[in-house]
Amino acid sequence: QIQLVQSGPELKKPGESVKISCKASGYTFTDYAMHWVKQAPGKGLKWMGWINTYTGKPTYADDFKGRFVFSLEASASTANLQISNLKNEDTATYFCAREYNSSFDYWGQGVMVTVSS
Amino acid sequence: DIQMTQSPSLLSASVGDRVTLSCKASQNIYKYLNWYQQKLGEAPKLLIYYTNSLQTGIPSRFSGSGSGTDYTLTISSLQPEDVATYFCQQYNSWYTFGAGTKLELK
Repeated sequence: QIQLVQSGPELKKPGESVKISCKASGYTFTDYAMHWVKQAPGKGLKWMGWINTYTGKPTYADDFKGRFVFSLEASASTANLQISNLKNEDTATYFCAREYNSSFDYWGQGVMVTVSS
Repeated sequence: DIQMTQSPSLLSASVGDRVTLSCKASQNIYKYLNWYQQKLGEAPKLLIYYTNSLQTGIPSRFSGSGSGTDYTLTISSLQPEDVATYFCQQYNSWYTFGAGTKLELK
């Protein structure tokens, strides 16, 4: 069965960096794009961008250019999200989601990142 | 950027009710619209894609309709397990989610 399994919760201080992983199984990883979605506590969903899992090319939404990096470990069927110079407003749950025909048909369970001094 | 406005933000309904959730785009999105259900503490789940296509495994009481800028998700007979927040998502120009409609039991 298709699964996206994300890494565990993170507690970081402002200015630090964090790297979140999303391991896919049950399908051919490079056949489907991977997207990242942010959900601040009690808030809605915000699309962060996507990565072409075949070429490795990332595309970032405007609000996520600069401190955010999408990467792959294709041999391990894993997509990663790294956030540098963390700010309080980065406190959120981050989801990876597989794209199928422009919809997000499978989602990871989410990773809660807390930024606090 | 395309903005998505969902209404109402909170909806209370009884088991068995027919429930209608609305989503309005700031410009024509040519039916490029998906709906997701998110239960508390869980990841979102795809319900409807391309306005009115039911995702595999989703109960037939869920349906979608709309065109242009106005779209609707309908639950024909509300069940207790449908308590959740529902998000619409446009993909005519990148991706944008609505702010969500929280559905609760009356």
